[in-house]
Amino acid sequence: ILNVEQSPQSLHVQEGDSTNFTCSFPSSNFYALHWYRWETAKSPEALFVMTLNGDEKKKGRISATLNTKEGYSYLYIKGSQPEDSATYLCAYSNFGNEKLTFGTGTRLTIIP
Amino acid sequence: DAGVIQSPRHEVTEMGQEVTLRCKPISGHNSLFWYRQTMMRGLELLIYFNNNVPIDDSGMPEDRFSAKMPNASFSTLKIQPSEPRDSAVYFCASRPNRGETQYFGPGTRLLVL
Repeated sequence: ILNVEQSPQSLHVQEGDSTNFTCSFPSSNFYALHWYRWETAKSPEALFVMTLNGDEKKKGRISATLNTKEGYSYLYIKGSQPEDSATYLCAYSNFGNEKLTFGTGTRLTIIP
Repeated sequence: DAGVIQSPRHEVTEMGQEVTLRCKPISGHNSLFWYRQTMMRGLELLIYFNNNVPIDDSGMPEDRFSAKMPNASFSTLKIQPSEPRDSAVYFCASRPNRGETQYFGPGTRLLVL
């Protein structure tokens, strides 16, 4: 993996269902992995920053895990609500370069 | 804190005109980032500053783009002359320290006719 890749690109989920999606990133020289939530016509809002292999973070119904050895992170949403509809971005940085490289996002739509 | 402040929020200009976008980072944050969002390329970093010093401007598209940070509380991104392909949303973000989250401003929606 040379860049940050997110899958799927888009997702439709029934209200009340749980869902998850993936962020893949280069595993060498890893420094930090960020998750952002981005609603249409707004600015990206930070969800989590994770740095250690095995990290798990939780914020309400949203949680994330990190595997730096294999280069992936999962974002989970439990009991989806309409207000969860947004694009979820992950971003990666390594030791050699402190700037963030963003994935193209997963666009989540919750169906009422 | 009011968060990252950007102005103007919307800008419509004609090709060839100079455009100046402004950003006030969150007080106490050491780093400032300028991003551009387009449908084709997503969110791409243009330039970032640490302690008011430009660190990496490799994302600046060409010489028509320039950015300054004269002090810790103000930065500008200037496009001169502007072209229609510069139409995009430009975000400014600031960060307390390396490894910490970046906080994004509301963005400036630029339309060059």
